[in-house]
Amino acid sequence: GAVVSQHPSWVICKSGTSVKIECRSLDFQATTMFWYRQFPKQSLMLMATSNEGSKATYEQGVEKDKFLINHASLTLSTLTVTSAHPEDSSFYICSAPDLYGYTFGSGTRLTVV
Amino acid sequence: GQQLNQSPQSMFIQEGEDVSMNCTSSSIFNTWLWYKQDPGEGPVLLIALYKAGELTSNGRLTAQFGITRKDSFLNISASIPSDVGIYFCAGQREDSNYQLIWGAGTKLIIKP
Repeated sequence: GAVVSQHPSWVICKSGTSVKIECRSLDFQATTMFWYRQFPKQSLMLMATSNEGSKATYEQGVEKDKFLINHASLTLSTLTVTSAHPEDSSFYICSAPDLYGYTFGSGTRLTVV
Repeated sequence: GQQLNQSPQSMFIQEGEDVSMNCTSSSIFNTWLWYKQDPGEGPVLLIALYKAGELTSNGRLTAQFGITRKDSFLNISASIPSDVGIYFCAGQREDSNYQLIWGAGTKLIIKP
């Protein structure tokens, strides 16, 4: 089946630094990639939708200058958390539509110290 | 953002028991998806439903797309310890562009 490879699976960074998260569709082309954020014991919250070759669409309340999304090709989308702060610590998950529904990456646990 | 009404929020059952959970919405959906998420992992698709009234099974799991297109349920028969986890429903509205709307999740805990 379709696979979305997400890296890194976890990262610890210092406050003020930037972190890049990558999601690659391994055996299909992902023209669209959804980026979610999930806090402990909560559901997934959509942050933004990236489309290959165009600007990402951000959900209300999500700072586009802080969460930079790039959809460089049909198989790669990246989320960069810029100037990270402790409140940005969360579980970030990407997802792409495939033939059967939506395939999710394995998630990235970001801890900002 | 909008969420589906998913219930129950958590279930604490004996191994071997059957489990039932459901999601409802005030909007009409054209797709219902059921996912399971283990700690520290992304959600994994269990069952996808595309037509009103559709009843689909995946092993011990059965899910149905409600006839009104505003609800769906997931049943797990003869639960086993590895069924532990959080189950999410997700739906796609008729007027959406791929975007999913999520339930809040049902946490399943099984007593051995």
